[in-house]
Amino acid sequence: DAKTTQPTSMDCAEGRAANLPCNHSTISGNEYVYWYRQIHSQGPQYIIHGLKNNETNEMASLIITEDRKSSTLILPHATLRDTAVYYCIVATGANSKLTFGKGITLSVRP
Amino acid sequence: GAVVSQHPSWVICKSGTSVKIECRSLDFQATTMFWYRQFPKQSLMLMATSNEGSKATYEQGVEKDKFLINHASLTLSTLTVTSAHPEDSSFYICSARTGQGLFEQYFGPGTRLTVT
Repeated sequence: DAKTTQPTSMDCAEGRAANLPCNHSTISGNEYVYWYRQIHSQGPQYIIHGLKNNETNEMASLIITEDRKSSTLILPHATLRDTAVYYCIVATGANSKLTFGKGITLSVRP
Repeated sequence: GAVVSQHPSWVICKSGTSVKIECRSLDFQATTMFWYRQFPKQSLMLMATSNEGSKATYEQGVEKDKFLINHASLTLSTLTVTSAHPEDSSFYICSARTGQGLFEQYFGPGTRLTVT
């Protein structure tokens, strides 16, 4: 599976949009981009995934560049409860394994 | 969404003893279950993958005789840490998959193991 690179940390103000970047320059054509998050001392939680089209659900939006070498997870109105480590993972999907990198720590400030 | 539970949520055991952690999918049948370990301030590391009725597949560097995995049914997997040592103290997280897609993988709340 392709490797991903994320900044170590970022913060944003409560109520503002949080834009979390991820680089995956070696992604191959059949690999999806997945985002999970882990709130302190809890198990990870699935957020969203996409192949090449932008995706949106009740939690977030995923913007994938046209060349698919990078993506951005957008939390439109961040709350204090969104403070967590966010993992960007690239994998084929079917029968693949979720391999977690270091992720990005998002701190939402009041 | 699908719910995965773990029991116990935390456990303290003495060095040399064994401890069993249960992982259950509460409202779905899991085709595959996974066990992860997470040390403080580190990311999750996959330990093993198991399918019901089959032997678990362990990741490189994980001792299969020390970390016994039993996937007895489509809703239950257990991890037994045998002859525990203080360095086994960690956060153990299980995960269950409902289908083939990674987005159909749900995580338990984790079990904090402390070996004294």
